[in-house]
Amino acid sequence: TQLLEQSPQFLSIQEGENLTVYCNSSSVFSSLQWYRQEPGEGPVLLVTVVTGGEVKKLKRLTFQFGDARKDSSLHITAAQPGDTGLYLCAGAKTSYDKVIFGPGTSLSVIP
Amino acid sequence: EPEVTQTPSHQVTQMGQEVILRCVPISNHLYFYWYRQILGQKVEFLVSFYNNEISEKSEIFDDQFSVERPDGSNFTLKIRSTKLEDSAMYFCASSEDAAPGTQYFGPGTRLTVL
Repeated sequence: TQLLEQSPQFLSIQEGENLTVYCNSSSVFSSLQWYRQEPGEGPVLLVTVVTGGEVKKLKRLTFQFGDARKDSSLHITAAQPGDTGLYLCAGAKTSYDKVIFGPGTSLSVIP
Repeated sequence: EPEVTQTPSHQVTQMGQEVILRCVPISNHLYFYWYRQILGQKVEFLVSFYNNEISEKSEIFDDQFSVERPDGSNFTLKIRSTKLEDSAMYFCASSEDAAPGTQYFGPGTRLTVL
């Protein structure tokens, strides 16, 4: 069974601080996605990483895929209240395979 | 920007009733999926669909569930006889053939079984 773990589960920080959330698995994935989910809404895709060691930047968000393609991190610089939400990592074993979701990191950025 | 849409946004039904959840995937996408999320839990895979047939289904997707692409735009999930434990958010997703692992999700249908 492929499982994705995320840490921390909850994170509460002050506006302007930096943070990193982690996504880990014992399994190799062909790609990892990061989604953000608001309460009562569907996951919104932020990024997909497919190459081991790959780094992608999306404004203040930096995503990295581990060299062995088993883990990923999301770093947010100078967090803002608008970054508040549930961040989900999800992995796919093959290109069109189902996506396995982690439990999520609930981020709260306090003004 | 193209997006996946789902209707209804909220469905309330009595236990034992049939429900059909509807999705319109992004138009050039070829792979379609249903997931569900029970309140406070992880998003779970139900079924994937390609070329008018099921590609893969999870243990959750038992004989009470079925999927259909009745025309060129809609993708439906039917639950034949709903149970209390079917209460959840149901998300439709789609992906195009050239984007590995990249699935775009709809806003979800909240199903409440009474």
